[in-house]
Amino acid sequence: QVQLVESGGGVVQPGRSLRLSCAASAFTFSSFGMHWVRQAPGKGLQWVTFISYDGRNTLYADSVKGRFTISRDNSKNTLFLQMDSLTPDDAAVYYCAKDRRPYVDFWSDSLDSWGQGTLVTVSS
Amino acid sequence: DIQMTQSPSSLSASVGDRVTITCQASQDIHYYLNWYQQKPGKAPKLLIYTASNLETGVPSRFSGSGSGTDFTLTINSLQPEDLATYYCQQYHDVPLSFGGGTKVESK
Repeated sequence: QVQLVESGGGVVQPGRSLRLSCAASAFTFSSFGMHWVRQAPGKGLQWVTFISYDGRNTLYADSVKGRFTISRDNSKNTLFLQMDSLTPDDAAVYYCAKDRRPYVDFWSDSLDSWGQGTLVTVSS
Repeated sequence: DIQMTQSPSSLSASVGDRVTITCQASQDIHYYLNWYQQKPGKAPKLLIYTASNLETGVPSRFSGSGSGTDFTLTINSLQPEDLATYYCQQYHDVPLSFGGGTKVESK
């Protein structure tokens, strides 16, 4: 069964940085694109970013473009999200999620497996 | 950006009821629409992909329909474990976007 485990969340001051990780197991990580999706407390879901299976293609929501960087290490089955210049609007639970179809250069159709999420709090 | 509008934002229903949730896209997204279920404190779970395809392991009481701008998620014979928030999501274009959610509560 696919397993995705996020880590790295915590409390950070505005303007500072945080790096999230997502450890993947029980599937061929290097074959699938991956996403980060966030959810502010009591709010809905917001797509943040995507990276292709080979890391060559990345996409970002406008709200994080230039501040967040998605990357992956296929040798370690791990996805990352580097978050810089954080603001209170970035406070949320961050989920990593697997794209449903393999070997797609951009997003395929759905996000078929999700981690349990990691909470990021931005506060002075 | 494509805006996704769900209605209602919440509803109350009894076990055994048929529940219908609608999702409207701000432009034609063909059939590029997914539905997710989220229970409190848990991650979303994929129910329906590409408008009408049931994800493996999802009970057959869930079904999806629609194309273009108007879509529907139907739960036939609501079960206690179906009390949750449901989200639609378009993948026609980036940014991928979700509806605001529909919370299904017990009457």
